[in-house]
Amino acid sequence: QSVLTQPPSVSGAPGQRVTISCTGSSSNIGAGYNVHWYQQLPGTAPKLLIYDNTNRPSGVPDRFSGSKSGTSASLAITGLQAEDEADYYCQCYEPSLSAYIFGGGTEVSVL
Amino acid sequence: EVQLVESGGGLVQPGGSLRLSCAASGISFSTYWMSWFRQAPGKGLEWVANIKEDGSEKFYVDSVRGRFTISRDNAKNSLFLQMNSLRAEDTAVYYCARDLGSRRQQHSDPWGQGTLVTVSS
Repeated sequence: QSVLTQPPSVSGAPGQRVTISCTGSSSNIGAGYNVHWYQQLPGTAPKLLIYDNTNRPSGVPDRFSGSKSGTSASLAITGLQAEDEADYYCQCYEPSLSAYIFGGGTEVSVL
Repeated sequence: EVQLVESGGGLVQPGGSLRLSCAASGISFSTYWMSWFRQAPGKGLEWVANIKEDGSEKFYVDSVRGRFTISRDNAKNSLFLQMNSLRAEDTAVYYCARDLGSRRQQHSDPWGQGTLVTVSS
């Protein structure tokens, strides 16, 4: 069981908007530690998608956006495309474990 | 272009040892923290360990502390993970990655393609 909680799956039609939640606690997200998001396409290595809660690395489409509030964070994908089918993971630091932690991952399906 | 290439994975018996390597190119390797991550078959991502630019600080997830050792050779732009006393639950694809940002706020980019470690008799 992950310290960060994500829904196992979300789905949407092409062009729709989907959001993925990442629920933590007062010891990690709520304590001010930044949340990062990674995209893992089938059979490939993870790729950084969002860092420091809201920032997109160069080359990441602006259809992807991140937000953070309280003890949770969210990743939004607008204008959903078939190529967005992947697993998405949130990451944060947990001081009680002295470790970086991940959510369990969310599989995004395009209907 | 930044490139990270892992090697050294394979099949090993429980209790055995394996040394993973990660060759970096296209970056000033000695100026970055580096991490190892792993992903068990069909499972999610797990951070394993990371190491400071000069190798003076190292951190581990509880499940590998005392069994795994992270190290680096900045002269050869290489990162290593020495894995001892391997268990079946260590079976995973292992990724190396460059860390960015300040300590405890780090994110990782890019990641290598991964190397598969299978612990089985």
